[in-house]
Amino acid sequence: AQSVTQLGSHVSVSEGALVLLRCNYSSSVPPYLFWYVQYPNQGLQLLLKYTSAATLVKGINGFEAEFKKSETSFHLTKPSAHMSDAAEYFCAVSTQGGSEKLVFGKGTKLTVNP
Amino acid sequence: EAQVTQNPRYLITVTGKKLTVTCSQNMNHEYMSWYRQDPGLGLRQIYYSMNVEVTDKGDVPEGYKVSRKEKRNFPLILESPSPNQTSLYFCASSSSRASGNTIYFGEGSWLTVV
Repeated sequence: AQSVTQLGSHVSVSEGALVLLRCNYSSSVPPYLFWYVQYPNQGLQLLLKYTSAATLVKGINGFEAEFKKSETSFHLTKPSAHMSDAAEYFCAVSTQGGSEKLVFGKGTKLTVNP
Repeated sequence: EAQVTQNPRYLITVTGKKLTVTCSQNMNHEYMSWYRQDPGLGLRQIYYSMNVEVTDKGDVPEGYKVSRKEKRNFPLILESPSPNQTSLYFCASSSSRASGNTIYFGEGSWLTVV
């Protein structure tokens, strides 16, 4: 069965600093991996996804993530944080070969300080 | 515009009073799901449907029912709501045509059971 662990339920950075949100997954088959963002009182928006093509995936709003099979990781990064990046971020893995279910991590709330 | 539409967006109800949260998608997707989001737990799948008249339990199905009579609609039914069903609910849909397809989420329904 697939599972996702997000290290750190809260991360705080200064505006302009590097954003690093950690995600480790467990999967018995090659995974499909996703990062979603949830702004306050809003729904989920897809940031980026890994589907076995390039291991470095670029997403919206300047975010990117690198799939590292040896480390079973899919960490999300952004070189320079903006105030508008403050949100909750969810890493997720899809079930074997399919797109009908996502298994989510518990989320990381990102705070950006001026 | 591709959309997953949920209603109501906000609801306060009393224990035991049956309610239905509707979900509709306009993308002709085969897969539809319901998730609930709780603080510190991320999102967990309640039920899913692979096509019309085909539904199955997710990770937390207790206290919920679903039906899929039409491809575009996937209502979530709480026959006798209880306070532990107070949560944020998301409907989602995706296509079965390719693995790792993006899963589209509705904007969420905030449900409070008192």
